[in-house]
Amino acid sequence: AQSVAQPEDQVNVAEGNPLTVKCTYSVSGNPYLFWYVQYPNRGLQFLLKYITGDNLVKGSYGFEAEFNKSQTSFHLKKPSALVSDSALYFCAVRVKYSSASKIIFGSGTRLSIRP
Amino acid sequence: GAVVSQHPSWVICKSGTSVKIECRSLDFQATTMFWYRQFPKQSLMLMATSNEGSKATYEQGVEKDKFLINHASLTLSTLTVTSAHPEDSSFYICSARSVPGQGSEQYFGPGTRLTVT
Repeated sequence: AQSVAQPEDQVNVAEGNPLTVKCTYSVSGNPYLFWYVQYPNRGLQFLLKYITGDNLVKGSYGFEAEFNKSQTSFHLKKPSALVSDSALYFCAVRVKYSSASKIIFGSGTRLSIRP
Repeated sequence: GAVVSQHPSWVICKSGTSVKIECRSLDFQATTMFWYRQFPKQSLMLMATSNEGSKATYEQGVEKDKFLINHASLTLSTLTVTSAHPEDSSFYICSARSVPGQGSEQYFGPGTRLTVT
């Protein structure tokens, strides 16, 4: 089955330190991968996506993600964390079915940045 | 960027009643719309996919007679929770895509919090 996994329920980082939120995927064919962020009682905000090309993808708010085909990973990173980065982060993959496609989400990782 | 709106943003209803949630694409035509639900501190689970003018495709385990989806126009989809019960209380998020297929973006609405008392 095609899926995406986020092995960490919570990640705690001190402000100013680098952060990494992990994501691994299992899909057939070339993966379309995404990262979204969700603040309390809000919808999803798009951060970045990988479809093809450069393995290092840069996105919003200083976030970036590295696509690693051999490790089937798409970890989200930021060089220097801010307290305002504290939120719920979702990795997602677009999967094909019939002639259409849909996005399925990982379980989410809560990122907590302490001052 | 493209904007997707939902109305209402929150609703409280009594058990046994029905409630309708609207999802609109404000500045683009959405050929495909998706409905997700999210329980507290959990991920988004896809409920159904709807294409304009055709019946929705429901994910396994989702009751189509309970969660009625209508996608009558290219800018509007509605989700009606019929005979709501407290276990239907959840955060419902819609998403819209403008062009069929893999290459188009999928935009998310702000969500609707449903509480059934």
